[in-house]
Amino acid sequence: NAGVTQTPKFQVLKTGQSMTLQCAQDMNHNSMYWYRQDPGMGLRLIYYSASEGTTDKGEVPNGYNVSRLNKREFSLRLESAAPSQTSVYFCASSEYTGSSYEQYFGPGTRLTVT
Amino acid sequence: KQEVTQIPAALSVPEGENLVLNCSFTDSAIYNLQWFRQDPGKGLTSLLLIQSSQREQTSGRLNASLDKSSGRSTLYIAASQPGDSATYLCAVPNAGGTSYGKLTFGQGTILTVHP
Repeated sequence: NAGVTQTPKFQVLKTGQSMTLQCAQDMNHNSMYWYRQDPGMGLRLIYYSASEGTTDKGEVPNGYNVSRLNKREFSLRLESAAPSQTSVYFCASSEYTGSSYEQYFGPGTRLTVT
Repeated sequence: KQEVTQIPAALSVPEGENLVLNCSFTDSAIYNLQWFRQDPGKGLTSLLLIQSSQREQTSGRLNASLDKSSGRSTLYIAASQPGDSATYLCAVPNAGGTSYGKLTFGQGTILTVHP
């Protein structure tokens, strides 16, 4: 099992450009998440998908859109990138076991917006 | 709103020492608490998950405890090694029907173990 995979690993964008970060999981999890990690701010939730066909905003959703394409895939789109979106982006997935959620993370995408 | 705090922010110890990392959270209505390790420039690796009904979990030289009522968890690392150097993060998903496992993270403890 590959677990959670993310593409690309690195990306440099110019202000105003758009791009989509891809995420896929092979653990048959219902829930998927996008977080960003910034120095001094820790990890913050951008968007999440509780199950296929549903998405909802997290703590810092402005400037992003998401698509839960199917149960495996959850993409994050930046329509018009801004320097403030320079960050490391992590995708994660989890499944409720009846008593807990154990979350599994992808390797991250390091995005720089100039 | 859930808030998670980790103390200390950074810790430097000589090899072989036993050490304790602390994590506190403000809302005790949680499903579980998860400890992660993050190496520089890398992703998050799950170390231990403690369910809300459990008091502790062990994996090798790592032992994590949970006192849900007081909103505290500790990660104990025995006989530390230079390879333990990393950032350690704790995170909790709030309990409840709209939680869906969303995690609130602490800021992390940067651990350096020197030979």
